[in-house]
Amino acid sequence: GQQLNQSPQSMFIQEGEDVSMNCTSSSIFNTWLWYKQDPGEGPVLLIALYKAGELTSNGRLTAQFGITRKDSFLNISASIPSDVGIYFCAGQKSYSGAGSYQLTFGKGTKLSVIP
Amino acid sequence: DAGVIQSPRHEVTEMGQEVTLRCKPISGHDYLFWYRQTMMRGLELLIYFNNNVPIDDSGMPEDRFSAKMPNASFSTLKIQPSEPRDSAVYFCASSLRLVFQAKNIQYFGAGTRLSVL
Repeated sequence: GQQLNQSPQSMFIQEGEDVSMNCTSSSIFNTWLWYKQDPGEGPVLLIALYKAGELTSNGRLTAQFGITRKDSFLNISASIPSDVGIYFCAGQKSYSGAGSYQLTFGKGTKLSVIP
Repeated sequence: DAGVIQSPRHEVTEMGQEVTLRCKPISGHDYLFWYRQTMMRGLELLIYFNNNVPIDDSGMPEDRFSAKMPNASFSTLKIQPSEPRDSAVYFCASSLRLVFQAKNIQYFGAGTRLSVL
């Protein structure tokens, strides 16, 4: 099935550092979402992107929807210990009212923050 | 709202036993999704429903897996008979279709961690 290539697979950073991760696809998506999963919990939505080129911030998080619609990135500035977790990108192909509502997920980026 | 509620949180069973996982979506949501998460394969969509009707079950791995949604507030995922390779975390998610908008924000439950011995 469709795959999203998410990188890096894991990161170890010092508290206070900035973090970047990205997702790429061989096909176009109309929506990009970024989720975070804490241990023992389900993924929680961080940012949703709906238009090519869109740049959206949520506190220290910034995400962009690539112009080609085949990629997206997530930046975290000034990392803190509670940023630890697994970050997932997800893409959706279909517009409302047409086709499926399926999301395709990347395999995640595991973030570790060293105090 | 209480969010998506899944039960049980943990299930340990023996190979060959029937397992039933339960999900209560967010009230008013019209889409419900069942996912399986493993280290090897990540998050995989198993099946999803719209207005209680199964739309796409192509992700269901085998006939041993079945899912039902008898009403808007309840869904089950059943594995019969269970096998050790079914061990994974199973998530339920729900979303609300917004007319004329291309939005599908899925809200996830906390998951059921299944161990089949």
